Amino acid sequence: AQSVSQHNHHVILSEAASLELGCNYSYGGTVNLFWYVQYPGQHLQLLLKYFSGDPLVKGIKGFEAEFIKSKFSFNLRKPSVQWSDTAEYFCAVIPLGRDDKIIFGKGTRLHILP
Amino acid sequence: NAGVTQTPKFQVLKTGQSMTLQCAQDMNHNSMYWYRQDPGMGLRLIYYSASEGTTDKGEVPNGYNVSRLNKREFSLRLESAAPSQTSVYFCASSEARAEETQYFGPGTRLLVL
Repeated sequence: AQSVSQHNHHVILSEAASLELGCNYSYGGTVNLFWYVQYPGQHLQLLLKYFSGDPLVKGIKGFEAEFIKSKFSFNLRKPSVQWSDTAEYFCAVIPLGRDDKIIFGKGTRLHILP
Repeated sequence: NAGVTQTPKFQVLKTGQSMTLQCAQDMNHNSMYWYRQDPGMGLRLIYYSASEGTTDKGEVPNGYNVSRLNKREFSLRLESAAPSQTSVYFCASSEARAEETQYFGPGTRLLVL
């Protein structure tokens, strides 16, 4: 069965530190890839997505992610985090050509210290 | 545009009671979804509706039923609530299943005693 792994369950950083959150998936075919963010007390919203083309995608609020097909990875990065980035981050994958159901990772809680 | 709306925001039930969670979207989306979010488990798909008139089971459908009332509305029913169904429930919609940016509602916090 397809799965999505987010290796870091809880990350604590100081402001201005660099961030990289890992995401790996298990599916050998074509995928659509997403990162969603859930700020405290709010609902999920899209941070960025990759369907095709340039494997380095840029999202809102200075986030970017790189799709590395050979590693089945879609890691999220930000060069300098802010306190307002405190949130839970979810990687999600749609394996195309199967049942096209989206599969979410278990999430990474990011806490930024002011 | 309100996006995706859900009612109620909070609910407390006793074991065995029933209730329906309501979801509506005003984006003319074809597909709608119900998820539950539990600590450390991420989001798990309960049911989805690829288009009006169709529904399909997701990862954790047991104990739930759904109705796609029309293109706008997709309800989730708990016939006999159990403490294991204590969770936060999110409704989402997308233009088409295969395309896939999903827009989420604000969630319903459900506590089953």
